[in-house]
Amino acid sequence: GQNIDQPTEMTATEGAIVQINCTYQTSGFNGLFWYQQHAGEAPTFLSYNVLDGLEEKGRFSSFLSRSKGYSYLLLKELQMKDSASYLCATRGNAGNNRKLIWGLGTSLAVNP
Amino acid sequence: DTAVSQTPKYLVTQMGNDKSIKCEQNLGHDTMYWYKQDSKKFLKIMFSYNNKELIINETVPNRFSPKSPDKAHLNLHINSLELGDSAVYFCASSTGYEQYFGPGTRLTVT
Repeated sequence: GQNIDQPTEMTATEGAIVQINCTYQTSGFNGLFWYQQHAGEAPTFLSYNVLDGLEEKGRFSSFLSRSKGYSYLLLKELQMKDSASYLCATRGNAGNNRKLIWGLGTSLAVNP
Repeated sequence: DTAVSQTPKYLVTQMGNDKSIKCEQNLGHDTMYWYKQDSKKFLKIMFSYNNKELIINETVPNRFSPKSPDKAHLNLHINSLELGDSAVYFCASSTGYEQYFGPGTRLTVT
């Protein structure tokens, strides 16, 4: 089966750095995704990792360790607008290549 | 120049009714999806079409029937609506790994 775990809620301060962890168990693996979802809006793509290591994109970075079934999303120089839910999702390999399995999301509150 | 659009944005209806939600994408993507996001914010895949062909059909009551007239459109018809169908329904499209989501349709069944 497939299972994704991430913290339910996190709180951080404007200007700080926050790391959101995600652990997963899948029967096949073909990539890990991070999406951002503001309240009442649609999810939007943030990052994609398929190989081990760190992918950096501006203030956001995502890390993957396939052997540990572990990923994190790192948000630097936090802004108030970063308050949102962050969804971790994995994609299976052949047979489920286009299907994403989603975590429940981590609700991040950025305080002034 | 909306990429993925859905109509209606809000839908309030009574139990037992039949309703449809429409989705259109102008990104030229081959694959489209329907997701259901419940009150606990869990995002669950329902269906996926690739070039008008159904490729993912999760365990969904057969009251839900998708239809893809062409690869730019994926509609969702729901028969005999139940209270538990109340949720936000998202349409999405993809050409590879990144999925682009529509704004969502908030369905409330009373």
